[in-house]
Amino acid sequence: DIQMTQSPSSLSASVGDRVSITCQASQDIGNYLNWYQHKPGKAPKLLIYDASTLETGVPSRFSGGGSGTDFTFTISSLQPEDIATYYCQESDGLPTFGGGTKLEIK
Amino acid sequence: QVQLVQSGAEVKKPGASVKVSCKASGYIFTNYGVTWVRQAPGQGLEWMGWIGANSGNTNYAQTLQGRVTMTTDTSTNTAYMELESLRSDDTALYYCARVRRDSSGWFRAFDIWGQGTMVTVSS
Repeated sequence: DIQMTQSPSSLSASVGDRVSITCQASQDIGNYLNWYQHKPGKAPKLLIYDASTLETGVPSRFSGGGSGTDFTFTISSLQPEDIATYYCQESDGLPTFGGGTKLEIK
Repeated sequence: QVQLVQSGAEVKKPGASVKVSCKASGYIFTNYGVTWVRQAPGQGLEWMGWIGANSGNTNYAQTLQGRVTMTTDTSTNTAYMELESLRSDDTALYYCARVRRDSSGWFRAFDIWGQGTMVTVSS
């Protein structure tokens, strides 16, 4: 099974900051990597698929990159409504989620 | 609009079974798959398995093999997830989600989610 290592597990930043999260796969997964946003009391939301493609309707301050085993998710200018837990998920084989990154406002 | 609506909260005793439903609307049900993901209290997301809505073909997480069964009813556009031999660590919020295929036909992204169903296992 593919293991997904996501870091950091928690992150505190100020409004307007650039925030980045990394996700490392235990083997080459090409660009089959998705990112989700999960707010308390709500269903998860797909933000980015195929490592770097923004889902329709998702603000352009969100972006993703990488391929192979190393991937990055970035929020270019943190907004208060971005407070959530973010998960990577590999979709090369049977899916595996990363452990999540809880993002808080400083 | 495109949506998935799940059945209500359940409370079960250890050893019992639970069956959660997920009714789809607003899209062609058989063009997609349905996956199930759960989140135990204070934990992250755990993929449980998926099913092709048209084919009925399934893949399950190894940790749940033998206890989980996923089915679909294309006459009512509803997916079901049944979990047997419930234990206290099955207490979780269970989500269904629509799965998009890529051009090769393999399932890739979970793009529409249900509202979640809380299953509590307690004696």
